Amino acid sequence: SQTIHQWPATLVQPVGSPLSLECTVEGTSNPNLYWYRQAAGRGLQLLFYSVGIGQISSEVPQNLSASRPQDRQFILSSKKLLLSDSGFYLCAWRVAKTEAFFGQGTRLTVV
Amino acid sequence: GENVEQHPSTLSVQEGDSAVIKCTYSDSASNYFPWYKQELGKRPQLIIDIRSNVGEKKDQRIAVTLNKTAKHFSLHITETQPEDSAVYFCAATDGRNYGGATNQLIFGTGTLLAVQP
Repeated sequence: SQTIHQWPATLVQPVGSPLSLECTVEGTSNPNLYWYRQAAGRGLQLLFYSVGIGQISSEVPQNLSASRPQDRQFILSSKKLLLSDSGFYLCAWRVAKTEAFFGQGTRLTVV
Repeated sequence: GENVEQHPSTLSVQEGDSAVIKCTYSDSASNYFPWYKQELGKRPQLIIDIRSNVGEKKDQRIAVTLNKTAKHFSLHITETQPEDSAVYFCAATDGRNYGGATNQLIFGTGTLLAVQP
């Protein structure tokens, strides 16, 4: 069966520090991978998606970047965090035209 | 690209009443419409979905209707229970072609449903 792992679950970082969130998927090949951000516990904003290794598309301009070094690994990064980067970050995967499966999420607080 | 609007943003009902959440989408090429439930601090999870070749789908107390002509779809929850309290998201596939890969899922802004005992 397919599973998705996302870590860490919570993170408190100072303004200006770097960020690295990791997401891995098991039990499937060549999934579409996504990073969403959820601010104030509400809407899901699509940040990045990837259809394959090294292929990253950004939906909104921001202080973040993403990379996909392996088929089932998706990384969200920042060189210098801003206060506005605080939020709940969710990784998700999808194959074919089916539902998306979400990771457990990372609660990021920038202080 | 796709734009999904969801209403209402908050909904409070008495236990046993029905709840209806409505969404509209902009891309006529969209063909898959899932609904997710997110409990506090947890990941969104699929509760029901519908494809564009179907007008209605039901699963116990939950039903979804789709009107492709009007580009709107709705979630109906009957006989609500306190455990139905959560944030509900609708989503629609973005009809853009990303090199032959699967389409995006664009989410609505969510509805906070509170079921009062």
